[in-house]
Amino acid sequence: KAGVTQTPRYLIKTRGQQVTLSCSPISGHRSVSWYQQTPGQGLQFLFEYFSETQRNKGNFPGRFSGRQFSNSRSEMNVSTLELGDSALYLCASSGGQYPYTFGSGTRLTVV
Amino acid sequence: AQSVTQLDSQVPVFEEAPVELRCNYSSSVSVYLFWYVQYPNQGLQLLLKYLSGSTLVKGINGFEAEFNKSQTSFHLRKPSVHISDTAEYFCAVSQNSGGSNYKLTFGKGTLLTVNP
Repeated sequence: KAGVTQTPRYLIKTRGQQVTLSCSPISGHRSVSWYQQTPGQGLQFLFEYFSETQRNKGNFPGRFSGRQFSNSRSEMNVSTLELGDSALYLCASSGGQYPYTFGSGTRLTVV
Repeated sequence: AQSVTQLDSQVPVFEEAPVELRCNYSSSVSVYLFWYVQYPNQGLQLLLKYLSGSTLVKGINGFEAEFNKSQTSFHLRKPSVHISDTAEYFCAVSQNSGGSNYKLTFGKGTLLTVNP
């Protein structure tokens, strides 16, 4: 059974640009969550989607957005990138009951 | 709101020694509890979970944890560690009902270093 797939694995962007990250959940999983991991703030919850609806959102500015498609794949978008957005972005999926299974992450570097 | 405190940011131990990684949580409602491990340049791998039932939970790689509701703790233990256990360990909590039960709140992590 394939795990959670995140693409790309690494990304370098310039301040002010926007970026889109992709997450393909485990087959049959309908819940997808996103987390940001930085050395200073640790792991922080961004948002969670279930059947294309956002059910929960963390305390991030509106520059961070996401969506989920009918096949449960999810994307997150960050607009007007700032240096502080450099982080490992982790996606996790669930079949409706805990626990969540995490992907390997996308390492975003903003220069 | 809920929070998680991992009392030690770093724990160095010798190979084959026992280890305990401490985790305390704060929540006004009932919770689910988890331990995840992260190896360098990788995502998070679930070690074990407490959802309900027995308070002693056994996980993968010989790890176990005990849920103590009165102490609001969920400490992770292993009787004999290996070099390959060197990694960062994260304790996480989630509400088991209501609108916030779809998000995990993580501790800051404990770096376990196993020395030969």
